[in-house]
Amino acid sequence: SQQGEEDPQALSIQEGENATMNCSYKTSINNLQWYRQNSGRGLVHLILIRSNEREKHSGRLRVTLDTSKKSSSLLITASRAADTASYFCATDWWGANNLFFGTGTRLTVIP
Amino acid sequence: DAGVIQSPRHEVTEMGQEVTLRCKPISGHDYLFWYRQTMMRGLELLIYFNNNVPIDDSGMPEDRFSAKMPNASFSTLKIQPSEPRDSAVYFCASSLTVYQPQHFGDGTRLSIL
Repeated sequence: SQQGEEDPQALSIQEGENATMNCSYKTSINNLQWYRQNSGRGLVHLILIRSNEREKHSGRLRVTLDTSKKSSSLLITASRAADTASYFCATDWWGANNLFFGTGTRLTVIP
Repeated sequence: DAGVIQSPRHEVTEMGQEVTLRCKPISGHDYLFWYRQTMMRGLELLIYFNNNVPIDDSGMPEDRFSAKMPNASFSTLKIQPSEPRDSAVYFCASSLTVYQPQHFGDGTRLSIL
């Protein structure tokens, strides 16, 4: 069964607005990662947050993790047209032998 | 610093033909992963290697699929015979450990007619 599921499936916003994407998972995790995929390209790692961390920042990205709710959110502030992409969360847990990717959120930023 | 390199970028072939996809991981990465991405099923892990040894191939859909990693700098994914339902984008990724960020190639877009 799928470990991570992103919500919403698709999101459309105006340039300059903030974008928030959510990820829910089923099993207690070790790490949670967020990736971006531009059209026609491979996934690119954005940020990793460990299970004992609650928040992490990287530039315009802010990731939060709530292990009690088994969920994470990715916030992109002051969005740009270049942020248009699909965003995936991926989880692993102790004893897991690989990452499990969610279904992705398709973000469109309108100039 | 070169990333993960996949070839070819696009492949169009007829049903029944053999297809070979190639991947060069990032030097020094001990783990190599093959994924398949479709609209219907999303991103699926097919197989992964650790130090050139296949560890988990439970995602390989059928015996028509095979993967090898003869050395640390090269891996192949082969489909023989190919079928239209194999049409997808196939990604290769590598990482230092199984828990660390994975670096993806730009994929091979495979179309089986």
